[in-house]
Amino acid sequence: DTGVSQDPRHKITKRGQNVTFRCDPISEHNRLYWYRQTLGQGPEFLTYFQNEAQLEKSRLLSDRFSAERPKGSFSTLEIQRTEQGDSAMYLCASSPRQVNTEAFFGQGTRLTVV
Amino acid sequence: GEDVEQSLFLSVREGDSSVINCTYTDSSSTYLYWYKQEPGAGLQLLTYIFSNMDMKQDQRLTVLLNKKDKHLSLRIADTQTGDSAIYFCAEKGSGANNLFFGTGTRLTVIP
Repeated sequence: DTGVSQDPRHKITKRGQNVTFRCDPISEHNRLYWYRQTLGQGPEFLTYFQNEAQLEKSRLLSDRFSAERPKGSFSTLEIQRTEQGDSAMYLCASSPRQVNTEAFFGQGTRLTVV
Repeated sequence: GEDVEQSLFLSVREGDSSVINCTYTDSSSTYLYWYKQEPGAGLQLLTYIFSNMDMKQDQRLTVLLNKKDKHLSLRIADTQTGDSAIYFCAEKGSGANNLFFGTGTRLTVIP
């Protein structure tokens, strides 16, 4: 296992289009997180799954955003009717333990909305 | 709410020590982390410290925690050009599932 994998690495889309990103966590990690990072800022928490259950969503996750983790393994993040303000790096992380001390991040998907 | 602050830039000469500082406001923080991000890449976990510790050393990295002042630092000994990156401080509050990050410190190592 080579770590958290995200696809695609880059996505350019026109405003108003829908986009979907995929995250494959480290095998057997039951916790999965999505973060968003805008230029010059640190990552900001979006949502968290434990197995297939989405247990927490931040206020940053507007109605246009939806995340799923249907079988408790990979996860998808969909953004509907994209806006220029959605341009950011979307980072996925996974965590191995009950205490979830360590979170390991993927390389991210860079979204550019034109 | 939580606030994590870092200075934006730090430049050091190759071979010198680097000290990156971070302050936070959440008094319930249980774990504090240092992540490294190279250009166009994700975040690499460097080290973390539990809030009841005041120091942790891992090879060239030394983390100091002053819980009273809510101050965290990362010292990199014998800094190399490969250490040039953005370093993020992050904290996890008691009972929280997610990390709260600072804005990052861009470390530039001058050969």
